[in-house]
Amino acid sequence: QSALTQPPSASGSPGQSVTISCTGTSSDVGRYNYVSWYQQHPGKAPKLMIYEVSKRPSGVPDRFSGSKSGNTASLTVSGLQAEDEADYYCSSYAGSGFVFGTGTKVTVL
Amino acid sequence: EVQLVESGGGLVQPGGSLRLSCTASGFTFSNYWMHWVRQAPGKGLVWVSRINSDGFSISYADSVKGRFTISRDNAKNTLYVQMNSLRAEDTAVYYCTRGGASGWFDPWGQGTLVTVSS
Repeated sequence: QSALTQPPSASGSPGQSVTISCTGTSSDVGRYNYVSWYQQHPGKAPKLMIYEVSKRPSGVPDRFSGSKSGNTASLTVSGLQAEDEADYYCSSYAGSGFVFGTGTKVTVL
Repeated sequence: EVQLVESGGGLVQPGGSLRLSCTASGFTFSNYWMHWVRQAPGKGLVWVSRINSDGFSISYADSVKGRFTISRDNAKNTLYVQMNSLRAEDTAVYYCTRGGASGWFDPWGQGTLVTVSS
């Protein structure tokens, strides 16, 4: 159950887009469409942003979108806003349990 | 409002035990999988364990297998994790979270800090 690989950091100016990758294996990301993404502000609990690769829960802005190709999933935040500055984690079902990504800190310049 | 509230964290010596609880409200607790996820200080999220709605299907991360035991009391809307043989590397904020059929986690509790140190 090795962690999924994410870039440590990503950044963009307000209004720009940023895309975060999440690379797993054929046993997790590549095998199941059960990839989800979480936003975590400092000192706060994580919040679900995307589930089943590309679905948005009620209340999550449509600026957030998800996709998957092979063993790599991606989260795109369009029209960056100051409040989007946070840590982002991907997660995937892996058969006997779940695995999270290493996390990406998004900075709004 | 759907809410999860963890309790039971604290300071424990290496080799010691601790039981965490998570009380749910605002939804039909007995219909959902429940999970524990932890986060060491300054580190990322790590999935720990899950239990299905009736308590008969359980899974653990390799790092806690044989030491942690997850359970639930649907009459009390409460999730538990019994943590034995604790190690320094178990030091983390422990979150409980509701699980969806397709592997999502929502919502999350506020977390409870477990510190393993002598």
